[in-house]
This record gives sequence, C-alpha cells and structure tokens, in this order.
Amino acid sequence: DGGITQSPKYLFRKEGQNVTLSCEQNLNHDAMYWYRQDPGQGLRLIYYSQIVNDFQKGDIAEGYSVSREKKESFPLTVTSAQKNPTAFYLCASSIGGHTEAFFGQGTRLTVV
Amino acid sequence: KQEVTQIPAALSVPEGENLVLNCSFTDSAIYNLQWFRQDPGKGLTSLLLIQSSQREQTSGRLNASLDKSSGRSTLYIAASQPGDSATYLCAVRRNYGQNFVFGPGTRLSVLP
Repeated sequence: DGGITQSPKYLFRKEGQNVTLSCEQNLNHDAMYWYRQDPGQGLRLIYYSQIVNDFQKGDIAEGYSVSREKKESFPLTVTSAQKNPTAFYLCASSIGGHTEAFFGQGTRLTVV
Repeated sequence: KQEVTQIPAALSVPEGENLVLNCSFTDSAIYNLQWFRQDPGKGLTSLLLIQSSQREQTSGRLNASLDKSSGRSTLYIAASQPGDSATYLCAVRRNYGQNFVFGPGTRLSVLP
C-alpha cells in the first residue's frame, strides 16, 4: 500500500535530549513537510522540502532540524534548544508544491 | 499575512441532517484550498482539493465550494452519519510559496 509512515507513534523525551522523528513515503512524491499541532491551534509549518538535498524553514523552525538525503525520507530532529516540544507532529507529502497533500498518522512527543 | 478562520468551532447535529462548515481566508491570492478530516489522535485525511480556478468539487456526500474573491469556502455534508464525527480542517496554499496555512478546525459530532 502506498502511503506515509511516521514512527514512532509515541515518543518520550527527557530534558536536554535530542530526538528524531521518522517520516517515510512510498508515493514517489517530491515535496515533504513537517507540521506541529497543539491543542486549540491550527497546524504550523516547521520545515519543508521540495526536492532531495534541499529544504526550507517554515514558520516555527527554531529548535528543529531536518535532512533530505533520500526522496522517500524526511526525518525531523527535535533538539534540546526547542523549549516546548510537547506536541503532535505530522508529516505530509505531495507530488509537487501545489498539488494535493497527504498526511501520515502522526507522532505524539512528550517531554518527561 | 494569510489568516484562515473556521466557523463554527464546534457543531452537534442529529443523524441525517445536511450541514455546512465554513472557512474564511484573508488573502484571496491562493493557489488552491484543501479540506481535511482528522479523527482524534490521528493524522489528516484529504477530502477535497479545489484549485483557485474552480468553483466546487464533489466527492460522494461531500461538496466543497470556493469563492476566492470573497475569501470563502464551504464544505457541505449531505445526510450526515455518526461516522462523520471528526474535526474538519481547511487549508489554503499561497500563491508565492509552497505551503499550507491551516484553519483551527470545526469539531463535528453527529448524534445517532
């Protein structure tokens, strides 16, 4: 089945730790995105990538980093510099920058 | 700066009713608009995508319209069912960028 797979579903981070969220797609999409969702707020863009080896900061990139070494993979690292990382993280992809977007099932990150 | 609002924030209806969800955006320079459904703790499921040149799109019991000049879109759900209970999100793609701006969503409950 084609789709977007995010792992893990739940992730717990200790203070001062970096953690990496995985996002893999087998849809052959060029564009990939990371969003953060907090209760009572709309989704906010963290980073996006239109093509392999290229990515751009979104509206709330501080404290996050990404890489795009392969077309199918767009991992997100939440660094210790992110002061309030507890949230629901969603990965998405689309064929191009203006086409229909598809989302993964999300990763819930909690700081313990 | 593009801002997206959705009214109402929450809606509760008896099964079988037809209903309308509203989405408004402040900047009419959009490329397209996409409606999504989100079940609790899950990712987003794409429902309908309307390009800026289109007036409406239909899929089964769902019909989405777009009035770009007035900055509005509506999602019409016919003959609602308890399985339609979810949060419905609209998102617009900017002309000059590649990314979505999301509304906060409408939480729909369809009572049996």
